[in-house]
Amino acid sequence: GAVVSQHPSWVICKSGTSVKIECRSLDFQATTMFWYRQFPKQSLMLMATSNEGSKATYEQGVEKDKFLINHASLTLSTLTVTSAHPEDSSFYICSASNPGQGIPDTQYFGPGTRLTVL
Amino acid sequence: AQRVTQPEKLLSVFKGAPVELKCNYSYSGSPELFWYVQYSRQRLQLLLRHISRESIKGFTADLNKGETSFHLKKPFAQEEDSAMYYCALRVAGNMLTFGGGTRLMVKP
Repeated sequence: GAVVSQHPSWVICKSGTSVKIECRSLDFQATTMFWYRQFPKQSLMLMATSNEGSKATYEQGVEKDKFLINHASLTLSTLTVTSAHPEDSSFYICSASNPGQGIPDTQYFGPGTRLTVL
Repeated sequence: AQRVTQPEKLLSVFKGAPVELKCNYSYSGSPELFWYVQYSRQRLQLLLRHISRESIKGFTADLNKGETSFHLKKPFAQEEDSAMYYCALRVAGNMLTFGGGTRLMVKP
C-alpha cells in the first residue's frame, strides 16, 4: 500500500513551453501533497505544499506563477512549469501523506520526474 | 530557520564494518527526525523515525537533543546497504527539511 506515482517519468521540452507533471496516490487518499526539486548531487528542496481543495503554500523563493500547483482531488496533484527555461531543468519529486494511511503523517514519495529544457 | 546537516557526502566502508552516518539539526521547536533511504534507481523511502525507536534492517538512530544529533548506525554493514541516505526534520504542517544526503558504499 501507499504507492505514489508520477507521470511522466522523463520529459524534454523546448524553452518557452509549459510542462505538466502529475502526482497520484494510487491506493490511498492524500490530503496533502508536497513538491520537491532536486538538482544533481544535491538534496531535495521543498517547493510547495498543497492541500486538497485549497491553494498551495509556496516556499520562499519559489515563484508561484511559474510553478503552478493544482490539487483538485484527493488522489491527484499537478505541477505545471510555465514558460520553462533551461535553468528549470531538474528532478521533480512529489510526496503524499494522509494521517490515516500507514504510519501517521509519513510522506510517501513518487519516483520523480526528470525535466530537461533545451 | 530549521536546518539539517549531513557532513559526509560519501562514506565508504567494507562489508561487516560498523557504519555511522552523521546528522545534525538546528530547530527551535520540538524536533521530529527521520532517516530516508534511496536505493539505486528507486524512490525515496522511509527508513526509520526517532519516535518509533525501532531498528529497521539493522539500523538504529537515537535522538540526542543535547548534541542536536540523530546519527544513523549499523554494527555490521552489508553490501545491500549501499544507497543514498537522507536525514530529515519535520516541522509544522508535516513539512520535511532534508539534509544534503550521504552516499554509503559498502565494499565487498
